[in-house]
Amino acid sequence: KQEVTQIPAALSVPEGENLVLNCSFTDSAIYNLQWFRQDPGKGLTSLLLIQSSQREQTSGRLNASLDKSSGRSTLYIAASQPGDSATYLCAVRPDMGGSEKLVFGKGTKLTVNP
Amino acid sequence: DTGVSQNPRHKITKRGQNVTFRCDPISEHNRLYWYRQTLGQGPEFLTYFQNEAQLEKSRLLSDRFSAERPKGSFSTLEIQRTEQGDSAMYLCASSPGRWRDYGYTFGSGTRLTVV
Repeated sequence: KQEVTQIPAALSVPEGENLVLNCSFTDSAIYNLQWFRQDPGKGLTSLLLIQSSQREQTSGRLNASLDKSSGRSTLYIAASQPGDSATYLCAVRPDMGGSEKLVFGKGTKLTVNP
Repeated sequence: DTGVSQNPRHKITKRGQNVTFRCDPISEHNRLYWYRQTLGQGPEFLTYFQNEAQLEKSRLLSDRFSAERPKGSFSTLEIQRTEQGDSAMYLCASSPGRWRDYGYTFGSGTRLTVV
């Protein structure tokens, strides 16, 4: 059974700092991995999608890496801003007999202080 | 059509009542998914449609839950005889074909409170 773990559960940083969020998964047989952002009481906003054959994806100040063999992904946020405060969720799509479900971690709650 | 739309945004119901939620996916997306998220947890998969066919259901989807996508466009999720444990955010997502190449687009969710 695929399990996704995100560390740390919460992180508080001063504005302007670079930071890394971690995601690990127990089964390396995945099709892709997706990072999402969730604001309090809201739905999910997709940030980056990494296919299993890719090593990283970049969008603006965000960079996500994937090491499929070791079951790890990181989300790097450069020059953090108060508007980056949210919960960041990592999800994998397991390579499992045609299943289309995503398996999510519990998220990392990020607070960027002005 | 700028995204996935879910209605209502919030629903408060008494225990034992039936509730129905609606999801309108991005129009060109043929795949539609329902997830449930409880406080402090990541979303959990409930069910998936490809066009009008319901192709996958989680064990979380008890016999009190039913989902439909009658014409392969919008979808409804009904919960019968609601229980306090059903209180959660219900999220809908859609994806185009060639799903291996594309991620999901999620709606804003419907927050259900059972009192």
